[in-house]
Amino acid sequence: QVQLVQSGAEVKKPGSSVKVSCKASGGTFSSYTISWVRQVPGQGLEWMGRIISLLGITNYTQKFQGRVTITADKSTTTAYMELRSLRSEDTAVYYCAAEGYNSPFDYWGQGTLVTVSS
Amino acid sequence: DIQMTQSPSSLSASVGDRVTITCRASQSIANYLNWYQQKPGKAPKPLIYAASSLQSGVPSKFSGSGSGTDFTLTISSLQPEDFATYYCQQSFSTPLTFGGGTKVEIK
Repeated sequence: QVQLVQSGAEVKKPGSSVKVSCKASGGTFSSYTISWVRQVPGQGLEWMGRIISLLGITNYTQKFQGRVTITADKSTTTAYMELRSLRSEDTAVYYCAAEGYNSPFDYWGQGTLVTVSS
Repeated sequence: DIQMTQSPSSLSASVGDRVTITCRASQSIANYLNWYQQKPGKAPKPLIYAASSLQSGVPSKFSGSGSGTDFTLTISSLQPEDFATYYCQQSFSTPLTFGGGTKVEIK
């Protein structure tokens, strides 16, 4: 059973960057595909991108292309999502999710609230 | 990008009611359709994958059907713990996309 534990809440200034971590346990990290999904308060779920650890490949949505970087450190079984040039509209809960046998989001982290405010 | 449209966006129902939520894809996605349940302040929970297969541990009151562009999630007898927001999601192609959600509230 895969478990994902994310880093704590962050408060950031507009224009700065945030890096959220997602530590995985259980399973084989090198075979994980980990996605990042965000949820603006009161709104729905939005896929930002993913890393296919086995191949070292990343996919990003057009909306975040150039502003987001997803990485994975196999030595610490931790995935990261860095979002740059933050604006108030980026205030959201950011989730990591791991692909399982059934779906791209079989396992979820607990979420990390990122607040962007001056 | 494949657009996923859910209806209704919200509904009010009573305990014991049968509830059906619809999800439509902007193009055919075969059966690459998943459903998630989310309660306030919690991460989404996987319910159904491949349009109609129950995730492990999910009670049989939940069922999914459909293929191509039209899909449904049915809760056969609504219980207090089922009041939540439900999302469909396509895994046919990237970018992976979600429906806008259906909030199931107590009548």
